[in-house]
Amino acid sequence: EVQLVESGGGLVQPGGSLRLSCAASGFTFSSYSMNWVRQAPGKGLEWVSFISTSSSTIYYADSVKGRFTISRDNAKNSLYLQMNSLRAEDTAVYYCARVRRDYNMDVWGKGTTVTVSS
Amino acid sequence: EIVLTQSPGTLSLSPGERATLSCRASQSVSTSYLAWYQQTPGQAPRLLIYGASSRATGIPDRFSGSGSGTDFTLTISRLEPEDFAVYYCQQYGSSSWTFGQGTRVEV
Repeated sequence: EVQLVESGGGLVQPGGSLRLSCAASGFTFSSYSMNWVRQAPGKGLEWVSFISTSSSTIYYADSVKGRFTISRDNAKNSLYLQMNSLRAEDTAVYYCARVRRDYNMDVWGKGTTVTVSS
Repeated sequence: EIVLTQSPGTLSLSPGERATLSCRASQSVSTSYLAWYQQTPGQAPRLLIYGASSRATGIPDRFSGSGSGTDFTLTISRLEPEDFAVYYCQQYGSSSWTFGQGTRVEV
């Protein structure tokens, strides 16, 4: 079964850091680019970051540029999001999603919740 | 950045009725990069339509997508109980993805 499982969310104070992980299984992880997408409580979806198969191409939303770092370990079938200088507005459920060649996201994890609050 | 505006915000319908959801882009979007997702409460989004009109794997044929340029439509021909959810359009362009704000289809 094709599956993505996020972990690493939690409660963190403003200015703090957190590292999210996404474990992939059931498909050849190294063949797919990946996205992080987030959803603030009661709000819509917001794309956060993209990484290509070999990590050679990386994009960030302006809202997280300079604070978040996306990475992957194809040997471990894992995707990561290092989040620094966290703000209250970063509070959200964070999803990892598989990106197809047509740039659509066809497999999503169940998400991990990040709460930034003092 | 391309802004996607969905309408209406909420659609109140009954099972068996037809639902028509609109997504308008602030500038022309390649049909290849226009998708629709369904999200039920507490669940992750699910890809419904890609390339503006192609159904994703396992999506029933009551779901259809159409449109080009700046105007796109998702149609659910006859609503089933499990179709009451929030629907998002999404586009890819200029190294970023944007989503519409969503349309809630409620009973």
